[in-house]
Amino acid sequence: KAGVTQTPRYLIKTRGQQVTLSCSPISGHRSVSWYQQTPGQGLQFLFEYFSETQRNKGNFPGRFSGRQFSNSRSEMNVSTLELGDSALYLCASSPDRELNYNEQFFGPGTRLTVL
Amino acid sequence: DQQVKQNSPSLSVQEGRISILNCDYTNSMFDYFLWYKKYPAEGPTFLISISSIKDKNEDGRFTVFLNKSAKHLSLHIVPSQPGDSAVYFCAASGWNAGNMLTFGGGTRLMVKP
Repeated sequence: KAGVTQTPRYLIKTRGQQVTLSCSPISGHRSVSWYQQTPGQGLQFLFEYFSETQRNKGNFPGRFSGRQFSNSRSEMNVSTLELGDSALYLCASSPDRELNYNEQFFGPGTRLTVL
Repeated sequence: DQQVKQNSPSLSVQEGRISILNCDYTNSMFDYFLWYKKYPAEGPTFLISISSIKDKNEDGRFTVFLNKSAKHLSLHIVPSQPGDSAVYFCAASGWNAGNMLTFGGGTRLMVKP
């Protein structure tokens, strides 16, 4: 089975621009979550989508948004980029067999650099 | 306010010996715990999990212990191998949090040959 894939792997943007990152979950997984990893804050939860609906949201400003398509693929968008948005953005998918007790499988991440 | 803490940023162990990585949490609503291993430039890899109805779970060389009264969990790796050298994260989830995981800061494990 193919793992979680994320595109692009690397991205360089300038302040004020916007960016869209893409994630394809493992086949059959309906839950997709996004995380931000930075040296200072560690791994932080952004949001989770399940069956095209946002199920949970972390403590991030409204500039961070996402969506999920009917095939479970997901995108996240960051508008008006700031220097502090430079991070590794990780996508994780889950089989969601039982609510609340599912391991999550991570993709390789997208490294975003904001100049 | 860090709800999940890994107080040891690094750990060095000789090959063949036991590695013990520790994790503490403060949120009583957490009832599912996971350990992930991460290499540079890769996403975290799931290792093992445990729910709060258990106090131990084993999978090959990896064993996770949960002490609910102390809000403490640990990951034991026996025997340790050089390929185990990586950053290890513990993560926790609550009963009403869907798949939202709260991560600790990570512990860098170095296994010396």
